Amino acid sequence: QLRLQESGPGLVKPSETLALTCTVSGDSIRNYPSYWAWIRQPPGKGLEWIGSLFYSGSTYFNPSLKSRVTISVDTSKNHFSLSLTSVTAADTAVYYCATHGSLSLGVITFRGQGTMVTVSS
Amino acid sequence: QSALTQPPSASGSPGQSVTISCIGTSSDVGDYDSVSWYQQHPGKAPKLIIYEVNKRPSGVPVRFSGSKSGNTASLTVSGLQTEDEATYFCSSYEVTNILIFGGGTNLTVL
Repeated sequence: QLRLQESGPGLVKPSETLALTCTVSGDSIRNYPSYWAWIRQPPGKGLEWIGSLFYSGSTYFNPSLKSRVTISVDTSKNHFSLSLTSVTAADTAVYYCATHGSLSLGVITFRGQGTMVTVSS
Repeated sequence: QSALTQPPSASGSPGQSVTISCIGTSSDVGDYDSVSWYQQHPGKAPKLIIYEVNKRPSGVPVRFSGSKSGNTASLTVSGLQTEDEATYFCSSYEVTNILIFGGGTNLTVL
């Protein structure tokens, strides 16, 4: 069964770059025909889709974050990553990595537990 | 893009039925059968309970059902149980190739 595990610093300073990794186990990213996605949830608030990367390389992003977001995959390490630049307190959230099939169906499976990231000096 | 609109709260007694709405537009809910529903207990990751408007993943109890009419999707929980107390989120594909969520509905089992 596919499992995902988020990792990265729990505290990031304002204006710096947030960098998270999602390690995949149970199958190979290279062979798994899926979108690899990042979703976040500010404390006490709702879910926000950040973006998705198809295993062949296509990417889609939330327009409100697009200018600051990069999602990439490293098949040799079987993980995919999120980079969010110029962070502010508004980026404080639990960050989840997840998978989904066709973007137009948007059936998201949250396979990780999430990681809390706080933006503060 | 705008978030989908959900009521902030809903409640019902054990054994009763409750319906949660998710209002979108003709650019998302109204034009695509891509509505999903997620259940989230405190401190836990969301869990998919309904996809493609009315389909249940394996293992999800039949008391959870979904429907759609026009720009509004609905989740109905029949025969409420105490473990159904959670926050429920809807999501949909939107025409500009993005995924959007509702603000969430806190369901209380009285």
